[in-house]
Order: sequence, then structure tokens, then C-alpha cells
Amino acid sequence: AQKVTQAQTEISVVEKEDVTLDCVYETRDTTYYLFWYKQPPSGELVFLIRRNSFDEQNEISGRYSWNFQKSTSSFNFTITASQVVDSAVYFCALSAINNNDMRFGAGTRLTVKP
Amino acid sequence: NAGVTQTPKFQVLKTGQSMTLQCAQDMNHEYMSWYRQDPGMGLRLIHYSVGAGITDQGEVPNGYNVSRSTTEDFPLRLLSAAPSQTSVYFCASSFLAAPYEQYFGPGTRLTVT
Repeated sequence: AQKVTQAQTEISVVEKEDVTLDCVYETRDTTYYLFWYKQPPSGELVFLIRRNSFDEQNEISGRYSWNFQKSTSSFNFTITASQVVDSAVYFCALSAINNNDMRFGAGTRLTVKP
Repeated sequence: NAGVTQTPKFQVLKTGQSMTLQCAQDMNHEYMSWYRQDPGMGLRLIHYSVGAGITDQGEVPNGYNVSRSTTEDFPLRLLSAAPSQTSVYFCASSFLAAPYEQYFGPGTRLTVT
């Protein structure tokens, strides 16, 4: 069975600090996809990134970066120079290529204080 | 484009009542899904559909029914509401089935007393 673990329930940082959100996954599939979604206080879910299991290159998008390591089954998300607008709940998710059952982690609530 | 729309935004039901949560998308997406979000548990898949006329169960289907008569609409029916179904419900759609990015609706907050 597929499983996603986000061990950090809540993180609080001060603006401009860097912060890393951890995501560890379990799957027996050799081909799978990992996702990060953001849920700001308004409640909607916003897609951030998708990564397939064959692409271990790190990705950077502005202040956001993602580190995918198959050896440790982790797909961590780093926000550099955090801002108050980054305050949200962040979800990591896992999906196999041949099923329709996306599994989400429990989420990490990030609070960025001014 | 309106994207994914859900109605109502809020609903209070009494135990045993039935109701339908509406979901519609205008992006011509084949894949649609329903999730429930509970504190500390992330999102869990209730039902999904890979196209009109095709539906299947997700991780937590008990107590819910779905149908997909058109590409645009994917209603979720609660047959006999129970307090355990108090949750926030999200509808989502994507171009095709996983692993494509899903677009989420704004959610419906349901309370069952």
C-alpha cells in the first residue's frame, strides 16, 4: 500500500528564515509520481509541483526548491527567505502511474511571522 | 473559465438526512474525484471517475454514492448522514487520471449533528 508521512505537524518561523518541509513516502511501484500542494488560509488547494520517480534532479522555482531522493524515499520542500504569504498548510502526495488512488500526507502547517 | 465549482459552501445536516454535494468543471477534464479532509489526516479519496459513465471507489467510499452522467458534473450523494461524515469535502478534476495535476474546487464544509 502507498503511504505518505509528513512528520512535522506544525512549523513556525520568522520572516526571511529558510524552512524545509519533510515528506517521506512508501510504495512498491517502480513508477510513481510525487506532488506538493499548498492550502492557504482561504482553503483552496494549489498545485505546486509534480515529480516522477525517474527524475531525481532537484527543482528550483523562485524561492521554492524540492529535493527528491529515492534512496531515502523522501521528497522535501524548501522555502528560502520565507514570507508571511507562505503561511499555509502544505501537503505532499503520492500516486502510482497505473492507479487512480492518490495518497496525501497529513500536511504541515507553516506559520511565517513578521 | 470558472474551473471547478462546488455547491453549497456550507451545509448542516441532521443524522439520517440525505443530500447531494454538487461539483462541476468547465475544463473538459476526463478525470474527477472527491476527497474529504479531516484534521490530522490530510485528504482521503472517496470516489473517482475516469470519464462519463465510469466511477470507482477510493480509500473511504462507505456512506457515499456518485454518478457521472456528463463530463462536466460529478455529484456526491450522502445516503444517510452520520456525525462521522462531518468534514470538508473537495472535488477535483484533471485532464486525465493520475498522475496529472488536479485542480481543486473551493470545498464544502459539512456538519452532521
